[in-house]
Amino acid sequence: QTVVTQEPSFSVSPGGTVTLTCGLSSGSVSTTYYPTWYQQTPGQAPRTLIYNTNIRSSGVPDRFSGSILGNRAALTITGAQADDESDYYCLLYMGGGLRVFGGGTKLTVL
Amino acid sequence: QVQLQESGPGLVKPSETLSLTCSVSGGSISSYYWSWIRQPPGKGLEWIGYNHYNGNSYYNPSLKSRVTVSVDTSKDQVSLKLSSVTAADTAVYYCVRDRGEIVPGWFDPWGQGTLVIVSS
Repeated sequence: QTVVTQEPSFSVSPGGTVTLTCGLSSGSVSTTYYPTWYQQTPGQAPRTLIYNTNIRSSGVPDRFSGSILGNRAALTITGAQADDESDYYCLLYMGGGLRVFGGGTKLTVL
Repeated sequence: QVQLQESGPGLVKPSETLSLTCSVSGGSISSYYWSWIRQPPGKGLEWIGYNHYNGNSYYNPSLKSRVTVSVDTSKDQVSLKLSSVTAADTAVYYCVRDRGEIVPGWFDPWGQGTLVIVSS
């Protein structure tokens, strides 16, 4: 069974740039996996940041961007702010109806 | 705008069936996929499965033998049933509109979630 992988944790300085990635235990991520990125703060439901690889959801600041980097999907935050400190989850569509979340990345801004 | 509200028992006994309902307001339940997602305390998200308003469904293989998601267009409700529960099924359960008709895996909006504890 293919596992969706993410960095468990990452840290970034305020104003800095950070790239979180989403990969597969076997194979490469491409646009055909429709990578989607979700942000979750403690006690809240997740919200969509990016869908279909690189489309920002309504109301999401343009400091968030999505892409494919090499064999992984990527979420880049440019000019990180304190309230970007959250858990970030990627989701990949594996085909045939199956959706699979990555384990999530805990981002610290300090 | 579409709003989702989960409801159901917050405590379920081991071996029993977990049953949750999601009430959809502010928009049509038709033409969309509807998924359930869960998150055990302190852990990550797990997609459970979806049902399309036309009855087409698909479930996470790890839960397939125990789960049913159904859509009631007459009541604008989506339901989840998970049988033979154990403590490992303790989680916050989210109802989401699944934009699978456009982008598989794009969940928007999300319900606020409801915590279900499995314990005797």
